[in-house]
Amino acid sequence: GAVVSQHPSWVICKSGTSVKIECRSLDFQATTMFWYRQFPKQSLMLMATSNEGSKATYEQGVEKDKFLINHASLTLSTLTVTSAHPEDSSFYICSARAGGGDYGYTFGSGTRLTVV
Amino acid sequence: GDSVTQMEGPVTLSEEAFLTINCTYTATGYPSLFWYVQYPGEGLQLLLKATKADDKGSNKGFEATYRKETTSFHLEKGSVQVSDSAVYFCALTLNQAGTALIFGKGTTLSVSS
Repeated sequence: GAVVSQHPSWVICKSGTSVKIECRSLDFQATTMFWYRQFPKQSLMLMATSNEGSKATYEQGVEKDKFLINHASLTLSTLTVTSAHPEDSSFYICSARAGGGDYGYTFGSGTRLTVV
Repeated sequence: GDSVTQMEGPVTLSEEAFLTINCTYTATGYPSLFWYVQYPGEGLQLLLKATKADDKGSNKGFEATYRKETTSFHLEKGSVQVSDSAVYFCALTLNQAGTALIFGKGTTLSVSS
């Protein structure tokens, strides 16, 4: 089945630094990828939708200059949290979707970001 | 807008008890419906899905039926196990290219032996 690999699984960074999270589709081409943020004991909040070769579409309230998304190929999307602050600490999950009519979504295993 | 509402948790059950987690939805079109499960510290795994009215999704003893008349997709299992302890999310998509899943808030299930 479709596999999405997300790295790193956890990261601790200092306030003011930037962190990059990678999401790779291993055995299929992901024409669309989604980035979610999950707060403790809460649901997944969609941050942005990225399509290969074009700019990401951000949800209302998500700072696009802070959360940079790049989807340069059909197998790789990256989320960079720039100038991270403690309030950015969260669980980030990517989801990839292959083209076609299956409408199947595959999720990465998530990245626990802690900003100190 | 489109949304998913699922019952508040936590749900605490003894092993072999019957499980129901209610889920209702609001959608402008004809969505596909999903249940995902999240174990502690992990990402989401698809548990089951249904793509049209009256479809029943099933997996690992869990099942849910797409009820268009009541806009519901309740999750059931006849006999839960300790290993079923996790957070369960109901979700929908409008089956349009480029659209994300819309999730409910999640229901935490805790099963004790």
